[in-house]
Amino acid sequence: QQQVKQSPQSLIVQKGGISIINCAYENTAFDYFPWYQQFPGKGPALLIAIRPDVSEKKEGRFTISFNKSAKQFSLHIMDSQPGDSATYFCAASDQDFGNEKLTFGTGTRLTIIP
Amino acid sequence: DGGITQSPKYLFRKEGQNVTLSCEQNLNHDAMYWYRQDPGQGLRLIYYSQIVNDFQKGDIAEGYSVSREKKESFPLTVTSAQKNPTAFYLCASSMSTGGFGELFFGEGSRLTVL
Repeated sequence: QQQVKQSPQSLIVQKGGISIINCAYENTAFDYFPWYQQFPGKGPALLIAIRPDVSEKKEGRFTISFNKSAKQFSLHIMDSQPGDSATYFCAASDQDFGNEKLTFGTGTRLTIIP
Repeated sequence: DGGITQSPKYLFRKEGQNVTLSCEQNLNHDAMYWYRQDPGQGLRLIYYSQIVNDFQKGDIAEGYSVSREKKESFPLTVTSAQKNPTAFYLCASSMSTGGFGELFFGEGSRLTVL
């Protein structure tokens, strides 16, 4: 089964710090890498996504960095805030199959402390 | 407001009983999905449907059944054949399964089998 490996499983960051979550994939056919954010008791919601034709994508305080040769991508949250406390899932798929083959990582529970 | 509605939010059932989880969407999306979420395992695809009266098995379809009689509705039945049914179940929709379509999730149904 195709895998997306996510680390760390949990992360505690002080308010104002940088939160970094890493993912690695195996299937070189993957060409779509979204991140989903899930608050307790809620369903996940799309946060940001990247395609491998760029090495970085930034939306506000959230940045995806992508390393195609290493088959790794990461989420950086700058100036982390208590409201960012949530579980984050990376995922990967390829355009030919789209969501029906979207493979999720195991999730990272992020806690931002004052 | 457009969105995905799942019910019930919490459900308790005795072992050996079939259970049906409801999922309704008013986003006019063609594609609908059912995921199972377990701690430390991310989201795993159970079934998906691209159009009315058609659906396909995902990665962990054994012990589950679905129907898609209306575009808006995609109920999931957890049968007595599912060996470990206690989990958090998430329904999602997207405009289509292909390409890079964003998944829109409901708030989930937590099933506990006693």
